[in-house]
Amino acid sequence: EPEVTQTPSHQVTQMGQEVILRCVPISNHLYFYWYRQILGQKVEFLVSFYNNEISEKSEIFDDQFSVERPDGSNFTLKIRSTKLEDSAMYFCASSKDRVEEQYFGPGTRLTVT
Amino acid sequence: KNQVEQSPQSLIILEGKNCTLQCNYTVSPFSNLRWYKQDTGRGPVSLTIMTFSENTKSNGRYTATLDADTKQSSLHITASQLSDSASYICVVSARSGGSYIPTFGRGTSLIVHP
Repeated sequence: EPEVTQTPSHQVTQMGQEVILRCVPISNHLYFYWYRQILGQKVEFLVSFYNNEISEKSEIFDDQFSVERPDGSNFTLKIRSTKLEDSAMYFCASSKDRVEEQYFGPGTRLTVT
Repeated sequence: KNQVEQSPQSLIILEGKNCTLQCNYTVSPFSNLRWYKQDTGRGPVSLTIMTFSENTKSNGRYTATLDADTKQSSLHITASQLSDSASYICVVSARSGGSYIPTFGRGTSLIVHP
């Protein structure tokens, strides 16, 4: 069964550094998403992406964040200058249509020190 | 402000028993409501998706209901199994123009004991 994959599974970085989290969505899906979950808290929506542009973004998704689909398979989330409060699990998801089932990846645990 | 409240916060039941989890929301304008199962340290897995016109949807032993008038949903789990131990998350999406913004609940932590 096709699945969403994410790399790395765990990323440790120093405050102020740039990080890129990578995702490979399911191949015939058209909508891509990033979410985050701070330890012990609820999942939060960051951004959705369709047709090579952002379709929705939350208040969390400020100028420090950017997304890109650099080729036909990868979908990346870049955090330009990480802060301690960016430490969280970041989930990528994809779906065929925006109202259809979203498939989540296993997540990347980001630790900012 | 759009909000999703889930109850109870946690629940412990014996294997084989049924249980019902609740979700109340103040999301507007309503687009759809989803229930997810999240195992510890894993990504959420979709259980059901319901739009405004649907008031019940089943997926195996999981049955979700939706009352759009009272803005309430429930997830009923039948004949629980040990593998049902997980967090169950209610997510309600608002539609604004062509945009869909999801609001997540904090989840109900379910523990199934043998």
